Formats: sequence, structure tokens, C-alpha cells
Amino acid sequence: GESVGLHLPTLSVQEGDNSIINCAYSNSASDYFIWYKQESGKGPQFIIDIRSNMDKRQGQRVTVLLNKTVKHLSLQIAATQPGDSAVYFCAENGAGGGNKLTFGTGTQLKVEL
Amino acid sequence: GAVVSQHPSWVICKSGTSVKIECRSLDFQATTMFWYRQFPKQSLMLMATSNEGSKATYEQGVEKDKFLINHASLTLSTLTVTSAHPEDSSFYICSARVGAGQGLGAFFGQGTRLTVV
Repeated sequence: GESVGLHLPTLSVQEGDNSIINCAYSNSASDYFIWYKQESGKGPQFIIDIRSNMDKRQGQRVTVLLNKTVKHLSLQIAATQPGDSAVYFCAENGAGGGNKLTFGTGTQLKVEL
Repeated sequence: GAVVSQHPSWVICKSGTSVKIECRSLDFQATTMFWYRQFPKQSLMLMATSNEGSKATYEQGVEKDKFLINHASLTLSTLTVTSAHPEDSSFYICSARVGAGQGLGAFFGQGTRLTVV
């Protein structure tokens, strides 16, 4: 679910394990989604994207899954490394133009050695 | 991926003064850029959409006279925080889309930490 106030949901994983970060989006008309990684004090970094006509897309060590039925998006990171520690945001691009992205609340990923 | 450069990375200014933040697309042209504001441990909040050669479009609740946006070229948008106050202290981030259509990634600058004292 969404977080309220100043508390980011946190996911702690052991180095080498797989991580799954979830995101629920709100607009059923959204047709394009992006996952971003944000390290402290930096701007968001593009990780992977997916269009609504797909349900899965793979990149290097990352996989994004899209379930339009329940409006759910997930990011899977294989063999999580300490450098993966960051806040991860999903973003949706609603249909109808404007190219504006709406961001989710974010998840703090902590990788334990 | 495409590179978006933001300057300065951080700035401290006195209350009442104005601060200008630049956002440049280095290896592509961007007819549209976006300005966000982010508070600690929170998500990005869209402030406005910057359109090259025309007026910016502001989100509800964002004062256009407070946050002046200029997009004079296809590679540069500027955000000026006018008469800054301590409550304007925040992390400001710009982004640009590669191309005009949807389905194309949006790339972000490194952000500007503004502190108003």
C-alpha cells in the first residue's frame, strides 16, 4: 500500500538475494511505466520501462512485471548488490498526452552484507 | 541514456533573494522539460511543464509568479525561485523526455539542493 507522511516503505535483503519491489498505480488508462533508482542527494536514474501492451520486460539483472488487471507493477533485481541500495520509484504516464509522469511513493531498498 | 545536466548542484541564499537553476539536455533536443520538487523521504512532486518557445504550464497550487520558468531554447530550461523564503528550501529536479511521443524515457538532472537562510 501507499505510505503516508515521512516513512518510506523499506525492503531489506541480503547481498546476493533477489529483490522484488512493488508498486500499485492508480490510473487504469496509463499506458507507459518507468522504474527509477534514486540515490541520496541525486536525481532519479532511469532503470527500465514497459508499455501497457506488454506484461514483462527484462534488462540487465532487472525485470519489470506489469499486471494491468490489478494495476500492479513490480521490479525484480537479481543477485542484489550493495550498490543497489537506494530508493526506487515507479512512474506512470497517463494516456491522453502531456507526457507527464506521476510518481509512486517510493521504496527504500537496503542491501545487507 | 540521454544526459540531462542541472546547475548548480546546491545553493544557499538569503531570504528575499532570487535563485536561478538551469537544466540542459546535453545530447538531445527537448521541446518539453519538467520541473519537480522533492522533500526529504518523499516522492517527486511535479511543479510545472516547461515548453520551448511558449509559457510554462503549472500544476495546481504552484505559484507561477514565485517559480518563474523560461525555456528559451531546445536544450535549456531555467527555474527561478523569486523572493525565496526558508519554506522554499527543497530539492529541485528537472527532467526531459527524449522525443515528443509517449513511450519514451524521461531522464533527470542530478538535482539542486536549495537552502534559504
